[in-house]
Amino acid sequence: DTGVSQDPRHKITKRGQNVTFRCDPISEHNRLYWYRQTLGQGPEFLTYFQNEAQLEKSRLLSDRFSAERPKGSFSTLEIQRTEQGDSAMYLCASRVTDTQYFGPGTRLTVL
Amino acid sequence: AQSVTQLDSQVPVFEEAPVELRCNYSSSVSVYLFWYVQYPNQGLQLLLKYLSGSTLVKGINGFEAEFNKSQTSFHLRKPSVHISDTAEYFCAVSPLGGGKLIFGQGTELSVKP
Repeated sequence: DTGVSQDPRHKITKRGQNVTFRCDPISEHNRLYWYRQTLGQGPEFLTYFQNEAQLEKSRLLSDRFSAERPKGSFSTLEIQRTEQGDSAMYLCASRVTDTQYFGPGTRLTVL
Repeated sequence: AQSVTQLDSQVPVFEEAPVELRCNYSSSVSVYLFWYVQYPNQGLQLLLKYLSGSTLVKGINGFEAEFNKSQTSFHLRKPSVHISDTAEYFCAVSPLGGGKLIFGQGTELSVKP
């Protein structure tokens, strides 16, 4: 399967803990995006990379959130000191030309 | 800035009936338009997209959509739905040249036997 992959698929954590998610884009896609989706809502943009450069960050991305794409391939999204409001589906997408292709998402539950 | 409004949060329909899911958008610049489908606990799958050219766009699973620039709409249609079409459908826009997607709030399509 050469699609976008995300790991883990599910994460349950306690409030205050740190979590990290990984996204592996489709090979040779130079743009990678992170979105957050809460129940009953459409996905909301968080940040995106072109190769290893982080080009845009949403105001939704508080100081507790950090994303990296160190070698322009896979990306990680870290949330520090998780809060219950961080519970959501975190979606990664990679893009070629004008179309974004999404991974299966990581569902985070903060207890 | 762009925004997307999906006019119906839920659409119940019987199997083999036609369906239309409505989407309106607002943008000060030209945009690309997309419809994605999301099955429970899964990511988003691209149904179809409008980039330029013919305003009637055909996608996967028998869906089609029509871009109407004057009404800033991009409604999704299917002439005959199946039980397997039950899912959440999202309309989205992005500015020309790419960039982030702006999504609507989604329409839950429920197909009943």
